[in-house]
Amino acid sequence: KAGVTQTPRYLIKTRGQQVTLSCSPISGHRSVSWYQQTPGQGLQFLFEYFSETQRNKGNFPGRFSGRQFSNSRSEMNVSTLELGDSALYLCASSPAEVSVREQYFGPGTRLTVT
Amino acid sequence: SQKIEQNSEALNIQEGKTATLTCNYTNYSPAYLQWYRQDPGRGPVFLLLIRENEKEKRKERLKVTFDTTLKQSLFHITASQPADSATYLCALERSSYKLIFGSGTRLLVRP
Repeated sequence: KAGVTQTPRYLIKTRGQQVTLSCSPISGHRSVSWYQQTPGQGLQFLFEYFSETQRNKGNFPGRFSGRQFSNSRSEMNVSTLELGDSALYLCASSPAEVSVREQYFGPGTRLTVT
Repeated sequence: SQKIEQNSEALNIQEGKTATLTCNYTNYSPAYLQWYRQDPGRGPVFLLLIRENEKEKRKERLKVTFDTTLKQSLFHITASQPADSATYLCALERSSYKLIFGSGTRLLVRP
């Protein structure tokens, strides 16, 4: 099976702009989680989707949003970008339905905000 | 609040030795705990999951223990190799569908 894919891999944006990142999970996985990783904060949970429903979200401002489509592909959007949003954004899919154990991560999208 | 603590200092060991990494947590009683490996610039890779009713789990050269009384998990790599050099993360499902990761411990295996 193909692994989790994320596009784009690299992105440079300017403060105030918005960005949309895409994630395609492993075939058959319906749970998709998003994380932000920075050197200072480590891996921080953003949100999790299952069958197009957000089941949980982390402590991030409302500028961070996401959605999941009927084919389980997911997107996350960050509006009004700030310098502090520069990070590696990781998406992970899981074969589990009643938990998020055993997550399979994509390569990430490196976002740089200037 | 939930805290997951991993040794922030890098662990530097000689090839062939056993590496032991520690994960401590507070304020929670997870049903299971997971370990992941992350190489620079890449996403974490799932290694092992251990449930609260399991004391020990093994997979090839990897061994994980889970002590729910001490609120601690130990991750062992036996006969370590330079290719094992990476950052190792432990993770707990803090609440439904929300996985919380420790900050990771960097392992360096010298040839």
